[in-house]
Amino acid sequence: DAGVTQSPTHLIKTRGQHVTLRCSPISGHKSVSWYQQVLGQGPQFIFQYYEKEERGRGNFPDRFSARQFPNYSSELNVNALLLGDSALYLCASSLYGLAGVRAYNEQFFGPGTRLTVL
Amino acid sequence: TQLLEQSPQFLSIQEGENLTVYCNSSSVFSSLQWYRQEPGEGPVLLVTVVTGGEVKKLKRLTFQFGDARKDSSLHITAAQPGDTGLYLCAGVLATSGTYKYIFGTGTRLKVLA
Repeated sequence: DAGVTQSPTHLIKTRGQHVTLRCSPISGHKSVSWYQQVLGQGPQFIFQYYEKEERGRGNFPDRFSARQFPNYSSELNVNALLLGDSALYLCASSLYGLAGVRAYNEQFFGPGTRLTVL
Repeated sequence: TQLLEQSPQFLSIQEGENLTVYCNSSSVFSSLQWYRQEPGEGPVLLVTVVTGGEVKKLKRLTFQFGDARKDSSLHITAAQPGDTGLYLCAGVLATSGTYKYIFGTGTRLKVLA
């Protein structure tokens, strides 16, 4: 079975530009979460979507937005890019949302998209 | 404020040694997950602990959830170079009806042959 897939793998943008990152979850998983991981740190939670609705949000500015499609794939959009947005962006899928059965909080991660903002 | 503190932050040991990584919080978690991440890749789930006091074993790795569900530990017996990586604990934090998936500060382990 295919795992979580993300595209693109690498991306270079300049300050002020907009970027869209894409993620396809594991088949049967209805939840997608997005994380930002800066070099040397653990992942920081950005959003979770479950059944196409936002179910969790981290401490990120409104420049960050996301959506989930009927096939449960997801997009993360970042507007007005800053140098500090350079990071590895990780997508994870899970069976249920964060408020679901506690054992199913397990997240299965994709390989990530490496975003560099110049 | 970091809600899940891991210690040590860095660890470099010789092959065959034992080690323990700690994950501590002042908050109660309904479950905690442990992941291992290698450079340039996403974290890989190792285990989930759910019940206070629970102990789970995965080959040479032993995971324990604290009785109060505020802390967890990972013990590796006879470490091997293949154990090298970033070890992360994580869990769901619910505050005022909102949910976040929180990762620990991470422990970077290097096992020397």
